[in-house]
Amino acid sequence: DTGVSQDPRHKITKRGQNVTFRCDPISEHNRLYWYRQTLGQGPEFLTYFQNEAQLEKSRLLSDRFSAERPKGSFSTLEIQRTEQGDSAMYLCASSLVLGYTGDGYTFGSGTRLTVV
Amino acid sequence: DQQVKQNSPSLSVQEGRISILNCDYTNSMFDYFLWYKKYPAEGPTFLISISSIKDKNEDGRFTVFLNKSAKHLSLHIVPSQPGDSAVYFCAALTSGTYKYIFGTGTRLKVLA
Repeated sequence: DTGVSQDPRHKITKRGQNVTFRCDPISEHNRLYWYRQTLGQGPEFLTYFQNEAQLEKSRLLSDRFSAERPKGSFSTLEIQRTEQGDSAMYLCASSLVLGYTGDGYTFGSGTRLTVV
Repeated sequence: DQQVKQNSPSLSVQEGRISILNCDYTNSMFDYFLWYKKYPAEGPTFLISISSIKDKNEDGRFTVFLNKSAKHLSLHIVPSQPGDSAVYFCAALTSGTYKYIFGTGTRLKVLA
């Protein structure tokens, strides 16, 4: 297993365009998370899935954002009508539900979005 | 409201010396704390964690200390190596939520 994969690594788009990112988690992990990181900030939680169910969404996730995880495998994050404020690193992570929650996530390398 | 704070944006340390990175939190419901390391163009990688029932956890050169009464944790790296140069994030979690809250990070530079 090569870890968490994210595609693309970089995306430059014009304001108003739609973009979609993909995340492939570690195969046996049943939880998948999306975070966003802007310059000088730590990762901020956006949403997470347990299997195919989206269990929590942050208020940061406006109605222009939608995430899916069909069949509990890979996930997609779509941003419609992109704005310059959407420019950020979008991080995907996965984990296995365990009794001890201090094991952390495994993050992917992220997708860097630049809206021009 | 920043629930997890890292007040030092950067730190420089000589190779072989101790690096001490600090983190403060405000939410008393947090009961797990983690440190992540991030190199440029890569995602954060898990480094070490501590549960609120402990006050210290060690893993090789890395030790995390937790002071619950002060709502403060610190990461000690001894001895520091140039390869430790990275951005370090502390993160906190309330068990049952599975959602880590991250600090803003401290950029550590270890000078050879």
